[in-house]
Amino acid sequence: SQKIEQNSEALNIQEGKTATLTCNYTNYSPAYLQWYRQDPGRGPVFLLLIRENEKEKRKERLKVTFDTTLKQSLFHITASQPADSATSLCARLSYNTDKLIFGTGTRLQVFP
Amino acid sequence: KAGVTQTPRYLIKTRGQQVTLSCSPISGHRSVSWYQQTPGQGLQFLFEYFSETQRNKGNFPGRFSGRQFSNSRSEMNVSTLELGDSALYLCASSFGGSGQPQHFGDGTRLSIL
Repeated sequence: SQKIEQNSEALNIQEGKTATLTCNYTNYSPAYLQWYRQDPGRGPVFLLLIRENEKEKRKERLKVTFDTTLKQSLFHITASQPADSATSLCARLSYNTDKLIFGTGTRLQVFP
Repeated sequence: KAGVTQTPRYLIKTRGQQVTLSCSPISGHRSVSWYQQTPGQGLQFLFEYFSETQRNKGNFPGRFSGRQFSNSRSEMNVSTLELGDSALYLCASSFGGSGQPQHFGDGTRLSIL
């Protein structure tokens, strides 16, 4: 089966540090991975998409990597702020359909 | 422009009843997808509609159904509600091409008593 695995334990870091969240996938490499953030009681918000042939993608303080050898994507938030506190969700495209398969998410807490 | 709107925000039902949830996508978006989110399972794909046709379907029982109207608005129906159907139901819209970012509403919180 095609799974997305994210660390279920919350990540707690100090303001100003770099937060790194991990997303591992099984079986076939997806054509792309998407990252979203979700605040409590709200729907997920799209952040970044990285394609299979891209090693790295950046957007302001956010950086995503895609390693097809390790079957892993890393999501980095540099100079983290308390406002970055949210659950980060990773999603992959299903192999033979256009369905998105989401991980269960990792909660990030940034302390001042 | 206005985002994805889901109604109602909260709903309480009892076992055996049925429920209809509504989703208004972003203007111009033709694809609407529905997801169920629970603490244990995370976001689970229910189905996707594009131009009034169901294009993809997840692994949920037939009690879960949906439809899309000509203006791209979508409804989701759950019949014979069970306690395990308690969840946050999220709707997402996009232009419909592969890889398009999903724009989510804030969901309908359904509680079954």
